Amino acid sequence: AQKITQTQPGMFVQEKEAVTLDCTYDTSDPSYGLFWYKQPSSGEMIFLIYQGSYDQQNATEGRYSLNFQKARKSANLVISASQLGDSAMYFCAMREGGYKPGYSTLTFGKGTMLLVSP
Amino acid sequence: NAGVTQTPKFQVLKTGQSMTLQCAQDMNHNSMYWYRQDPGMGLRLIYYSASEGTTDKGEVPNGYNVSRLNKREFSLRLESAAPSQTSVYFCASSEIAGGGYNEQFFGPGTRLTVL
Repeated sequence: AQKITQTQPGMFVQEKEAVTLDCTYDTSDPSYGLFWYKQPSSGEMIFLIYQGSYDQQNATEGRYSLNFQKARKSANLVISASQLGDSAMYFCAMREGGYKPGYSTLTFGKGTMLLVSP
Repeated sequence: NAGVTQTPKFQVLKTGQSMTLQCAQDMNHNSMYWYRQDPGMGLRLIYYSASEGTTDKGEVPNGYNVSRLNKREFSLRLESAAPSQTSVYFCASSEIAGGGYNEQFFGPGTRLTVL
């Protein structure tokens, strides 16, 4: 079974609208972290937001927020007020294993391509 | 601070040739990683080094070797390149191995084509 599933290969949104990118995960470890990265057409990987499995509140970073539903094992990224510069590939990733040495590796989903139109 | 740097940016190899991809970070991070990115596949972990002196296999290690030269540098070697190794390779680093908020910082990537 895939550990990270991103079911939307592509999403379209109009400028200034909000958009939700879906991510579901699979783990039996009680301690884990969820990350979202952005990859624009230039190719670099840009960290956006992090949610820990024990965090009580949903993470927010500027226009980015993470809708964390632990029971459903989902960690959807919400981008408010989309901008043209948000057009990019977005990856959800998971780190398992808490504080065990060597368990800092990330498992990535296949990504969602977001296109923002004027 | 340059962050994570990778050389070369682009490389074309013939089948059977060997090469080493270089990666260095100036953030004093303990852990370093090598990923490959193929269309429609996301990023897959090749090898990682949780700390200086240790290396471990990731999801797709076959055909690769790594060396953690010192705390700053982590190289990836293809001994006999194959067309299936055509990919974009990313190096990353993070502060600690395991635990809490542990963002990975990525290099700009190396685009490798094997003919």
